[in-house]
Amino acid sequence: EVQLVESGGGLVQPGRSLRLSCTASGFTFGDYAMSWVRQAPGKGLEWVGFIRSKAYGGTTEYAASVKGRFTISRDDSKSIAYLQMNSLKTEDTAVYYCTRTQVLGYSYYMDVWGKGTTVTVSS
Amino acid sequence: SYVLTQPPSVSVAPGQTARITCGGNNIGSKSVHWYQQKPGQAPVLVVYDDSDRPSGIPERFSGSNSGNTATLTISRVEAGDEADYYCQVWDSSSDHYVVFGGGTKLTVL
Repeated sequence: EVQLVESGGGLVQPGRSLRLSCTASGFTFGDYAMSWVRQAPGKGLEWVGFIRSKAYGGTTEYAASVKGRFTISRDDSKSIAYLQMNSLKTEDTAVYYCTRTQVLGYSYYMDVWGKGTTVTVSS
Repeated sequence: SYVLTQPPSVSVAPGQTARITCGGNNIGSKSVHWYQQKPGQAPVLVVYDDSDRPSGIPERFSGSNSGNTATLTISRVEAGDEADYYCQVWDSSSDHYVVFGGGTKLTVL
């Protein structure tokens, strides 16, 4: 069964850091790009960023709202993707979803989602 | 940045057809993907590349895309289809490469 499990969420003070993990199973992790998408309470979906597979250079892209503060990385030997979040703000409070990302020509879409992990930034 | 516009809500009676639109500048030139999110659950991909369905998604779900509007059509609507629906595109010129619409709440009357 294809599965993604996020972990590492919790309550953190503004300005502090947190690292989320996404453990994959049921597919060849290294063949896929991986994305993070978040959803603030009562709001819609917001893309955070993604990391391409090594075959596409393993490069990353980020939303403007997190660029310079968040970093996505991957460990293909462990089938884990990470989201390092620094200088957290109250507006980063959200459920964070890890997703498997398909490349379709010049488009990307998310075909597998984890259940999400909650990050609350508050003093 | 590229903007996708969805109606906040759509209501339909069981057995009828629901159409959820997603508007964007020349969206017909892009690939549009649709997600369903039920309360308290993660989103699920229901249509990709305008009109393709992942395995396990009923044929009642279909999509189209032309001009400035993409449409998700749900035929023979069931109570279990009640959910939020989001459209999504990729736009490399945007500060958000992956762009989501604001979402549409589908209510089954």
